Amino acid sequence: GENVEQHPSTLSVQEGDSAVIKCTYSDSASNYFPWYKQELGKRPQLIIDIRSNVGEKKDQRIAVTLNKTAKHFSLHITETQPEDSAVYFCAASDYKLSFGAGTTVTVRA
Amino acid sequence: SAVISQKPSRDICQRGTSLTIQCQVDSQVTMMFWYRQQPGQSLTLIATANQGSEATYESGFVIDKFPISRPNLTFSTLTVSNMSPEDSSIYLCSVEIGGYNEQFFGPGTRLTVL
Repeated sequence: GENVEQHPSTLSVQEGDSAVIKCTYSDSASNYFPWYKQELGKRPQLIIDIRSNVGEKKDQRIAVTLNKTAKHFSLHITETQPEDSAVYFCAASDYKLSFGAGTTVTVRA
Repeated sequence: SAVISQKPSRDICQRGTSLTIQCQVDSQVTMMFWYRQQPGQSLTLIATANQGSEATYESGFVIDKFPISRPNLTFSTLTVSNMSPEDSSIYLCSVEIGGYNEQFFGPGTRLTVL
């Protein structure tokens, strides 16, 4: 089955700086790569996703890149704000989602 | 997107008992899933709830422990049977919207087993 590795496990950034989270996957059949944000005590929320026919996608301050050859994809958050503090999960899917272990992001004011 | 609700939102149960969790969606969806999220951990897929047929379970999860029903396209239940403290987790349902793999989660059910 699919195996998704996510790094780093924790990330602390100064407000206004950028944050980058990286994931690798094992199954070359995976073709859909979403990112979820989970605030404490809340449900995971889909914040951005990318499909295998696209290399990069951007939505305001967040962007995701995909390298299918290397089987890795990354989340980039620019101009971080305190409300970006949360746990972020990457996932990979051919027909079902396999999640990474998560990254706890703390934005210091 | 759809409005997804779960009941109960939380419960505290005694070991050896069973709890049934309900997931309701405000529109018809083809795919519904059940996940477990242990404290401080990631999400693990338990099973895909299939409408009109038996659920498809992932490795490590069995029907006797986690029976699932899916009577229609807007509703599913997950039962956690013969509970032990190791079953203490958050259980989340999710639905796939639009047939493009995008999954949206319910608010979760926080289960504590004493």
